[in-house]
Amino acid sequence: QSALTQPRSVSGSPGQSVTISCTGTSSDVGAYDYVSWFQQHPGKAPKLMIYDVTKRPSGVPDRFSGSKSGNTASLTVSGLQAEDEADYYCCSYAGSYKVFGGGTKLTVL
Amino acid sequence: QVQLQESGPGLVKPSETLSLICTVSGGSVSSGSYFWSWVRQPAGKGLEWIGRVYTSSTTNYNPSLKSRVAMSVDTSKNQFSLKLSSVTAADTAVYYCTRSDNVWGQGTLVTVSS
Repeated sequence: QSALTQPRSVSGSPGQSVTISCTGTSSDVGAYDYVSWFQQHPGKAPKLMIYDVTKRPSGVPDRFSGSKSGNTASLTVSGLQAEDEADYYCCSYAGSYKVFGGGTKLTVL
Repeated sequence: QVQLQESGPGLVKPSETLSLICTVSGGSVSSGSYFWSWVRQPAGKGLEWIGRVYTSSTTNYNPSLKSRVAMSVDTSKNQFSLKLSSVTAADTAVYYCTRSDNVWGQGTLVTVSS
């Protein structure tokens, strides 16, 4: 199985919105509504930000939203804040196992 | 509040078996419809899903690791475990345990070296 494809980096200024894409195949992202997004700050464990494509765990700001179209899922961060600067990983169910994307570094300019 | 803590040897020799335990506190490993997963991250690289185990002992593994991985749950100790056999330097990574992807341990570095 191959990792999901994410851009290596994205950037935006405070207050702006950025979108991170996550492209898979018809066997993973396109087949199931089980895409998650994780935020990871340096030296820290990942944190679940979005699950089941669009759902937010308790405590995650509504500035974070998820969507999916075909084989591509997306994470949008609105109203960028300095603390949003981190690595972001998508993850999809692929029918008995899960696969991560390669990760995207979000830089807040 | 549920907390997870990984434990195990930080150094494993090539060809040997890596064994890690994740201890659950503030909750029960046998309660609810949770799954218990392991994820690893080599230094400076991305996350890799290793597998998951349910309290029922049902398991799902990464196909690329399936021949070397075994996971189990010990309800008497409130723990779940990971065993990875025939390790090589490529298995050197920080290993995380998680509860349904929403609660994570702090991670433990395992180095494979003679």
